[in-house]
Amino acid sequence: GENVEQHPSTLSVQEGDSAVIKCTYSDSASNYFPWYKQELGKRPQLIIDIRSNVGEKKDQRIAVTLNKTAKHFSLHITETQPEDSAVYFCAASNPSTGGYNKLIFGAGTRLAVHP
Amino acid sequence: KAGVTQTPRYLIKTRGQQVTLSCSPISGHRSVSWYQQTPGQGLQFLFEYFSETQRNKGNFPGRFSGRQFSNSRSEMNVSTLELGDSALYLCASSLAGVAGVRSGSYEQFFGPGTRLTVL
Repeated sequence: GENVEQHPSTLSVQEGDSAVIKCTYSDSASNYFPWYKQELGKRPQLIIDIRSNVGEKKDQRIAVTLNKTAKHFSLHITETQPEDSAVYFCAASNPSTGGYNKLIFGAGTRLAVHP
Repeated sequence: KAGVTQTPRYLIKTRGQQVTLSCSPISGHRSVSWYQQTPGQGLQFLFEYFSETQRNKGNFPGRFSGRQFSNSRSEMNVSTLELGDSALYLCASSLAGVAGVRSGSYEQFFGPGTRLTVL
């Protein structure tokens, strides 16, 4: 079945460093890849998303890259700040079988940014 | 606009009971999806409703069901509760599928969740 693997499960960085989280998906027909940030006790919130017709997308300190051939996509956070500390989830959806709203999530990465 | 709301926020039930959770989407959103979040299994898709019809379904047993009303509010029901059903149940609403909305509006907005504990 559909599967999304996410690595690492935990990531600890110093403030100002970069953080990279990687995901691999199994369904080659997936073409929508959002990233969600979930702070402790709060709801997941979309931070960036990418569609398969685009290889890279940036929004200030956050960027996502997509390699459709290898079926993997990555989240890059530059100049990390303590408020970036949270759990980050990648997800994928295949509109032809489940629509954009059937998101298959990775297991999450707990990012800790130390001052 | 008000965000996605869910009621109740916390529930404690015993094995064998049933439970109904409610989700009110953002005004204008017609798609409501439900997810189960647990420490062991992460975020798992339960089902999606659009215009009162179930449009997609995840790999959960038939004890999990849902419905959507004409005002887009949605409910999910879990019958014959098991200990393993203890989880945070999140709903999310989206503009995807609404006529006139540009095709790039895929974002799902999550509610705060209902924390269900089964004893």
